Amino acid sequence: AQSVTQPDIHITVSEGASLELRCNYSYGATPYLFWYVQSPGQGLQLLLKYFSGDTLVQGIKGFEAEFKRSQSSFNLRKPSVHWSDAAEYFCAVGTGGGNKLTFGTGTQLKVEL
Amino acid sequence: GAVVSQHPSRVICKSGTSVKIECRSLDFQATTMFWYRQFPKQSLMLMATSNEGSKATYEQGVEKDKFLINHASLTLSTLTVTSAHPEDSSFYICSANYPSSYEQYFGPGTRLTVT
Repeated sequence: AQSVTQPDIHITVSEGASLELRCNYSYGATPYLFWYVQSPGQGLQLLLKYFSGDTLVQGIKGFEAEFKRSQSSFNLRKPSVHWSDAAEYFCAVGTGGGNKLTFGTGTQLKVEL
Repeated sequence: GAVVSQHPSRVICKSGTSVKIECRSLDFQATTMFWYRQFPKQSLMLMATSNEGSKATYEQGVEKDKFLINHASLTLSTLTVTSAHPEDSSFYICSANYPSSYEQYFGPGTRLTVT
């Protein structure tokens, strides 16, 4: 069965600092990978996705992620964090043809001013 | 584009009653919608996959008679929590599969409190 691990439950960074959120997945086939962001009491917004092709994908709000098959990872990065980036971030793997999502446990990002 | 709405955003009901939550795709047609449950400070757990015109597919451990799902049109799926109990209190989120895509667009969620 597929699974997603986000090893960091909480991360605190200073505004303007770089950010990397870790995500490791377990899936027997080629994965469809997603990063979502959730603000308090809100639904999820898609930041970026990887289906195939270039392993470095660009998303919205200045985020990018790199798919590394050898490490079964799909880490999310941002070169300079803004205070408005404080939220919960979820990594997900799509199975069942890509549209059935399994989520990681999330990483809560806090941004210090 | 690709907006999904949920109604209501918050609902409080008494134990033993039923409550219906609506999920609508506003600007696209979705043959497949999904219902998730999220406990405080936890991840989303898929409850069921809702297919237009057919029965929903429930995940293991989800009671189909308790969580009734109806996907009567290409833009509307409903989740009815029947005979609600306090342990059903949770944040329920729906998503809709964008046509010819693996992307899901999520609704803003419904906070259910059962007293």
